[in-house]
Amino acid sequence: QKEVEQDPGPLSVPEGAIVSLNCTYSNSAFQYFMWYRQYSRKGPELLMYTYSSGNKEDGRFTAQVDKSSKYISLFIRDSQPSDSATYLCAMRGPGGYQKVTFGIGTKLQVIP
Amino acid sequence: EADIYQTPRYLVIGTGKKITLECSQTMGHDKMYWYQQDPGMELHLIHYSYGVNSTEKGDLSSESTVSRIRTEHFPLTLESARPSHTSQYLCASSRGPTGTDTFSDEKLFFGSGTQLSVL
Repeated sequence: QKEVEQDPGPLSVPEGAIVSLNCTYSNSAFQYFMWYRQYSRKGPELLMYTYSSGNKEDGRFTAQVDKSSKYISLFIRDSQPSDSATYLCAMRGPGGYQKVTFGIGTKLQVIP
Repeated sequence: EADIYQTPRYLVIGTGKKITLECSQTMGHDKMYWYQQDPGMELHLIHYSYGVNSTEKGDLSSESTVSRIRTEHFPLTLESARPSHTSQYLCASSRGPTGTDTFSDEKLFFGSGTQLSVL
């Protein structure tokens, strides 16, 4: 069983829609939760990160972590065609030398 | 703005050739990594380094080797390329522990990747 499960999609939404991307995980030691965005033929770039449970908002993006359910989400409001990319969730445990475990990535297409 | 560079971006090469994928960063980061990314698969760590003259193998077994002679440079070498080595190779770096901000220390900056095709 994979430590991190993520639906690969693809997910197609019309411009302006609210997008919900999700991951589940099995390792209760994970404490740092991240979302990376990867455009085609580019490396991933960090979009959002949260520590432990709770919500974090940055512009049109909101990251949520529910440690009791081992479930994390990324919401994108007022989605734009420029949001079309693959979104990878990532997580790691505490300590300075913990490896990062990535999800498979969800491919999102926002249609104008 | 991440300052981490990979060359070449694309490489098509015949079986048995020796290849070196270059990765350089100008951020002075101590920690550097090589990930392998295949279509429909997770990013898998194949090598990492915590500083000069330090290299370790990652979770995914790889026939490649790495070296870290300078802080800014972390090349990956395949002595004899095979079709099974066809993949996207991503280099990344992070600042490493400063003792003050664990998360920022571990934030990964990725290069644009090298798409390797071995015929």
